[in-house]
Amino acid sequence: ETGVTQTPRHLVMGMTNKKSLKCEQHLGHNAMYWYKQSAKKPLELMFVYNFKEQTENNSVPSRFSPECPNSSHLFLHLHTLQPEDSALYLCASSQGGRGREQFFGPGTRLTVL
Amino acid sequence: AQKITQTQPGMFVQEKEAVTLDCTYDTSDQSYGLFWYKQPSSGEMIFLIYQGSYDEQNATEGRYSLNFQKARKSANLVISASQLGDSAMYFCAMSLSVDKFYFGSGTKLNVKP
Repeated sequence: ETGVTQTPRHLVMGMTNKKSLKCEQHLGHNAMYWYKQSAKKPLELMFVYNFKEQTENNSVPSRFSPECPNSSHLFLHLHTLQPEDSALYLCASSQGGRGREQFFGPGTRLTVL
Repeated sequence: AQKITQTQPGMFVQEKEAVTLDCTYDTSDQSYGLFWYKQPSSGEMIFLIYQGSYDEQNATEGRYSLNFQKARKSANLVISASQLGDSAMYFCAMSLSVDKFYFGSGTKLNVKP
């Protein structure tokens, strides 16, 4: 595997379910990111991990819980979600620093019923 | 406050012609990075081009060039010789640090045969 991978690619869940999204990067990067992309809205940065330490949490509701066990893996744990949480969730990684582009995974299309 | 503004929700261009996608940004930082990404209907974000705030020359990558006008705080993307495969959403982004990354709302480009 190369680049950034995300599983699952599609997820349908009820509001009472608990599920997790997984992201893995094979690029040797130090920073990993979770974004939410809803229809007709700019990408929203949710969480940032730099060297496994969370450095940014943009007022994300507690029903989203990130986990970064090492610099190659990033999880987003989901519980008691709302229908408005339905969106494309994108994971990205970068070498860090303002001049470094982010490499994105293919995303997980989440539908909350 | 909106940090990245893309004022063109949708654009049409004839195949083989050039097209300019507009982007303006807002920051008081002196050091920042500007990026353009392409998102096809498959969902994956593809990095296209980068411009550093201290770079004096406009960035170019193949058919992509970034028209950087620092005083006007604009970073327009120019695609030369458009191809049908260029039809996608295009996002302008700005990075202030490893954990400060902002995206615009995107421009949907349609290339007509």
